[in-house]
Amino acid sequence: DAGVIQSPRHEVTEMGQEVTLRCKPISGHNSLFWYRQTMMRGLELLIYFNNNVPIDDSGMPEDRFSAKMPNASFSTLKIQPSEPRDSAVYFCASSPTGTGYEKLFFGSGTQLSVL
Amino acid sequence: GDSVTQMEGPVTLSEEAFLTINCTYTATGYPSLFWYVQYPGEGLQLLLKATKADDKGSNKGFEATYRKETTSFHLEKGSVQVSDSAVYFCALGRGAQKLVFGQGTRLTINP
Repeated sequence: DAGVIQSPRHEVTEMGQEVTLRCKPISGHNSLFWYRQTMMRGLELLIYFNNNVPIDDSGMPEDRFSAKMPNASFSTLKIQPSEPRDSAVYFCASSPTGTGYEKLFFGSGTQLSVL
Repeated sequence: GDSVTQMEGPVTLSEEAFLTINCTYTATGYPSLFWYVQYPGEGLQLLLKATKADDKGSNKGFEATYRKETTSFHLEKGSVQVSDSAVYFCALGRGAQKLVFGQGTRLTINP
């Protein structure tokens, strides 16, 4: 298995532009998580899905952020409009539901820089 | 709410030194506790876990004991190697597969 695949690995954009981050979970995993990692706040859970349905989006910082999971093999995290304070590493993770945390697998992350 | 506090880094040690990275947590009930490791350019990987008080998790020479009386889960290794250089995260897990992470501690091992 290829693991959790995120794209792009690096994204540099200008303030005000729309940014879309993509994630392909491991096949057969039906829980998907988006995390954000910054120096100031560490690793924060933004949103998670179970069976393609958003279960908890309380970590989404504001309305500029939105996430979708149109099917079991694809999810997006969109920021519109982007701001410099959104600069961070964004991780996607997936796991089979009900198997515990030892089955949580992370992607390599997307490094986002908003100028 | 639940929270995890880690010792601030960065931590720099010489090869074969003894390592301790402190982690304390605040939570009600009996959460599970974890250490994750993030190698450069990679995502987080589970290093070890403990699911109840007095459990000891261990992997790759690392150990951590779930201490409910001190609400701690300190990470230890008796003799570190250059390949252990990474960022280490303490985390708390409670239901619904949600994890609460500490800030992370960057560890650098010099040969």
